[in-house]
Amino acid sequence: AQTVTQSQPEMSVQEAETVTLSCTYDTSESDYYLFWYKQPPSRQMILVIRQEAYKQQNATENRFSVNFQKAAKSFSLKISDSQLGDAAMYFCAYRSGMNYGGSQGNLIFGKGTKLSVKP
Amino acid sequence: DTGVSQNPRHKITKRGQNVTFRCDPISEHNRLYWYRQTLGQGPEFLTYFQNEAQLEKSRLLSDRFSAERPKGSFSTLEIQRTEQGDSAMYLCASSQNDGSNQPQHFGDGTRLSIL
Repeated sequence: AQTVTQSQPEMSVQEAETVTLSCTYDTSESDYYLFWYKQPPSRQMILVIRQEAYKQQNATENRFSVNFQKAAKSFSLKISDSQLGDAAMYFCAYRSGMNYGGSQGNLIFGKGTKLSVKP
Repeated sequence: DTGVSQNPRHKITKRGQNVTFRCDPISEHNRLYWYRQTLGQGPEFLTYFQNEAQLEKSRLLSDRFSAERPKGSFSTLEIQRTEQGDSAMYLCASSQNDGSNQPQHFGDGTRLSIL
């Protein structure tokens, strides 16, 4: 079974600084996808960034980028120029490839990292 | 695109009562997922639908939990004879299964509190 581990329950960053959130996963599959979701307090979970395992190039979305190390099964999220609005719970998630044994496509989440941004 | 809508936002009920939650997915999405999120944890997968077919339900927490998506549009999640341990946030997500890496879009969730 696949598992996702986020070893940092809480992180803090100064506004305008850079922070990196860690995520490791365990799988025997070769085709899969990885995601970072953001969940602000009492608000909807939204997708921050996604990465296909077959792509070697790290995904980037504006101030958000990932460091995908497939061999190490590591998928960290870097937030540059942190803003107050970045404060939220961040969840790392795994999904089997859609062509892998008729995958259900459900997400497997880590426990999350609570990010605080200091003004 | 009005997003995924869940109702009610909050539900408070006494132990032993039945509750039903509703999820309206993004209209063109054929897949619909239910997750449960307890305090301090990430969401946990419960069940999902491809159109009106419920393709996985073994992960439902007990036989007190059931879900339907009768016309392949909205879905309901019912919990019968609620227990204290059912208190959680219940999340619905939808996606388009077209063979590519389409992400899941989540609703605001229904927070269930059992007295």
